[in-house]
Amino acid sequence: GAVVSQHPSWVICKSGTSVKIECRSLDFQATTMFWYRQFPKQSLMLMATSNEGSKATYEQGVEKDKFLINHASLTLSTLTVTSAHPEDSSFYICSAIPGWLAGGKDEQFFGPGTRLTVL
Amino acid sequence: QQPVQSPQAVILREGEDAVINCSSSKALYSVHWYRQKHGEAPVFLMILLKGGEQKGHDKISASFNEKKQQSSLYLTASQLSYSGTYFCGTESRRVAAGNKLTFGGGTRVLVKP
Repeated sequence: GAVVSQHPSWVICKSGTSVKIECRSLDFQATTMFWYRQFPKQSLMLMATSNEGSKATYEQGVEKDKFLINHASLTLSTLTVTSAHPEDSSFYICSAIPGWLAGGKDEQFFGPGTRLTVL
Repeated sequence: QQPVQSPQAVILREGEDAVINCSSSKALYSVHWYRQKHGEAPVFLMILLKGGEQKGHDKISASFNEKKQQSSLYLTASQLSYSGTYFCGTESRRVAAGNKLTFGGGTRVLVKP
């Protein structure tokens, strides 16, 4: 099956610093990637849709200047949390949809997630 | 709008059955089911694309009632490995391939020996 990796798997940073999280599709090209955040014992909340070669589409209430998304290639999307604060601490998960899937099946392959802790 | 899952949690003995429901207030194009273990990424179980469609994998199956805008996931003869949180993700309309999903609140399943 398709594999999605994330790096780092966890990060602890000081308040005010910026953190970059990478999401890579290892064995397929992903035209679309999604970024989610998940608080403990809660659901996956979609933050933005990342499309290769174009600007990301952010969900309502998500600050685009704070959560910068760059989908530079068909295998890599990055999420940068700028000027992080303790309330940004969460589990960030990306998913990718292979470009080769046809028929509208659109299975999303999830990365293992990145746990961000802001002190 | 987030689909509603019920129950929120269920405890089973190994070998017992359970049903998890996912209801939406919007018309649905597709329903996706995922299972997530603690601290791990969600793992894909199945997609239901058409009303009336039923699918199964091992002893986990699902149905999609398009008219009622709901889907049900059936855990049959549960195994210890079925423990985890189950999420349904719904797609309300098809604009283009790769549409975003809206996930339900999740159902925590604990299977005990």
